[in-house]
Amino acid sequence: EILMTQSPATLSMSPGERATLSCRASQSVSSNLAWYQQKPGQAPRLLIYGASTRATGIPARFSGSGSGTDFTLTISSLQSEDFAVYHCQQYHQGLPLTFGGGTKVEIK
Amino acid sequence: QVQLVESGGGVVQPGRSLRLSCAASGFTLSNYGMHWVRQAPGKGLEWVALFYYDGSKRYYVDSVKGRFTMSRDISKNTLYLQMDSLRAEDTAVYYCARDYGYNYGFFDYWGQGTLVTVSS
Repeated sequence: EILMTQSPATLSMSPGERATLSCRASQSVSSNLAWYQQKPGQAPRLLIYGASTRATGIPARFSGSGSGTDFTLTISSLQSEDFAVYHCQQYHQGLPLTFGGGTKVEIK
Repeated sequence: QVQLVESGGGVVQPGRSLRLSCAASGFTLSNYGMHWVRQAPGKGLEWVALFYYDGSKRYYVDSVKGRFTMSRDISKNTLYLQMDSLRAEDTAVYYCARDYGYNYGFFDYWGQGTLVTVSS
């Protein structure tokens, strides 16, 4: 099983700031990585797949990068609606599919 | 548009059973892999099960193997998760989620979730 580790657990930011979230895999997942946003009481929403491809309707301020074991989700300028929990997930080489523990982006 | 609506959650005693449903609309189940993903209270996401687009295969996370069974009714475009021998650690919100395609392994649409609480 591929273990996914996200850091930091919590990120305290102000609107307009740039947020950088990290995700590390216990072994290479190539570019088979997705990012999701989850707001309280809601289902996750797909943001990024293939490590860097934005899903349909996702604003350009969200970008993903990385390959192998180290990945980054960047939000270039935080908007009020971006304060949420972000999850990374690997889908490399079969099952089980695994998620990181999540990073909560909160208002400072 | 694509919509997934789960139902069937509730409070159940340890050792008992529950069946969750996921009604799909806006697409045909036979064209997509479908998954169940759960989230324990205050915790992260955990993949639970996969149903192949053509119905040929089903896979489960080790912790539910032998206890949970996925099925579907194409005529109703509905997915099911039969959960037997439930344990306290199965307490979670259960989401059904559509695979991006036949079997990419990530999820482009999610239902709103249904809460399962296993408690005596």
